Amino acid sequence: SAVISQKPSRDICQRGTSLTIQCQVDSQVTMMFWYRQQPGQSLTLIATANQGSEATYESGFVIDKFPISRPNLTFSTLTVSNMSPEDSSIYLCSVESKGRYNEQFFGPGTRLTVL
Amino acid sequence: GENVEQHPSTLSVQEGDSAVIKCTYSDSASNYFPWYKQELGKRPQLIIDIRSNVGEKKDQRIAVTLNKTAKHFSLHITETQPEDSAVYFCAASQVSRLTFGEGTQLTVNP
Repeated sequence: SAVISQKPSRDICQRGTSLTIQCQVDSQVTMMFWYRQQPGQSLTLIATANQGSEATYESGFVIDKFPISRPNLTFSTLTVSNMSPEDSSIYLCSVESKGRYNEQFFGPGTRLTVL
Repeated sequence: GENVEQHPSTLSVQEGDSAVIKCTYSDSASNYFPWYKQELGKRPQLIIDIRSNVGEKKDQRIAVTLNKTAKHFSLHITETQPEDSAVYFCAASQVSRLTFGEGTQLTVNP
């Protein structure tokens, strides 16, 4: 399966600032997604990152707060904007590869703490 | 939208026993049901999945069953080992959008 990396692996940020998280895959993938996992909880889909067009956001998530880019088939970024302590979570990207319909594999995650 | 419920939230078994985790889903359009294992501080790992045209799938000590009529699916782990201890998540998917259950903390006692 594809090798997925995320940067940074963790960060501590001040309230009101923004952080951009990168997700890089070592091969072309058909779909890329961003999830949030709050401490001790399950995973929630934020959005589907669409190559060359605007991301598709799930209910409760908006582009102004979580802008997403996907300039090509191997790379995506998620920005967490104007952060508050409630944004403290693990953010994970996942990918679905060609020929492996529906199967999603996760990156290692970015642990974000907002003070 | 889809809603996935998972039970139990915690499960403790003795090494060698079997463990069963159950999930129900709400949307009959869901057609793909993966299970993930997440160890502390690690990423979720896909361990087994089942599609809506199949009733059961087995991979060594783990198996998954699906009842489309009742909208529920289950994970079965036989001959449990301490390294099976982790949080297990079920999920349901439509057009690749995964909705996760709340997770089950499985502890296998030596």
